[in-house]
Amino acid sequence: EIVMTQSPATLSVSPGERVTLSCRASQSVSSNLAWYQQKPGQAPRVLIYGASTRATGVPARFSGSGSGTEFTLTISSLQSEDFAVYYCQHYNNWPAYTFGQGTKLDIK
Amino acid sequence: EVQLVESGGGLVQPGGSLRLSCAVSGLSFSNFWMTWVRQAPGKGLEWVANIRQDGGEKHYVDSVKGRFTISRDNAKNSLELQMDSLTDDDTAVYYCTRDLLGMDIWGQGTTVTVSS
Repeated sequence: EIVMTQSPATLSVSPGERVTLSCRASQSVSSNLAWYQQKPGQAPRVLIYGASTRATGVPARFSGSGSGTEFTLTISSLQSEDFAVYYCQHYNNWPAYTFGQGTKLDIK
Repeated sequence: EVQLVESGGGLVQPGGSLRLSCAVSGLSFSNFWMTWVRQAPGKGLEWVANIRQDGGEKHYVDSVKGRFTISRDNAKNSLELQMDSLTDDDTAVYYCTRDLLGMDIWGQGTTVTVSS
């Protein structure tokens, strides 16, 4: 089983800051990686798939990069609505999936 | 408008059973793999099971194999999850999702609580 490890677990940031979230796979997942945003009481929403392709309607301030085992999600200028939990997920051995444990963005 | 609406959650005793449903509208349901994902209280996301377009291929996370059964009715645009021999560890919000480059469309979830 491929293990996905996200870091940090929690990140305290101020609005307007640039933030980078990390996700590491225990073995290569090529570019078969997605990022999700989840706000309290809501279902997750896909932000990025294929490691770097923004999903429909996702603002351009969100970008994804990486391949193999190292991935990042960058938010170029944090908005108030971006404070949420972010999960990475690989689908390299689809149809089985594994999620990371999540990174929570807190307001500093 | 695309909608995935889950139902069937509730309180059940350990060892009991529950059947979840997901009503899908606004998309060609029979063209897509579908997936169930769950989230225990205060925890992260866990893939539970998925099913091929024609229902002929199904996959499960190890922790539910032999206890949960995923199925679909393409004529009714409906996805189901039959859950048997439930334990406390199955307590979670269960989401129905479309399986496309990850999971691109999600329902609002239905809550399952296993407790005596």
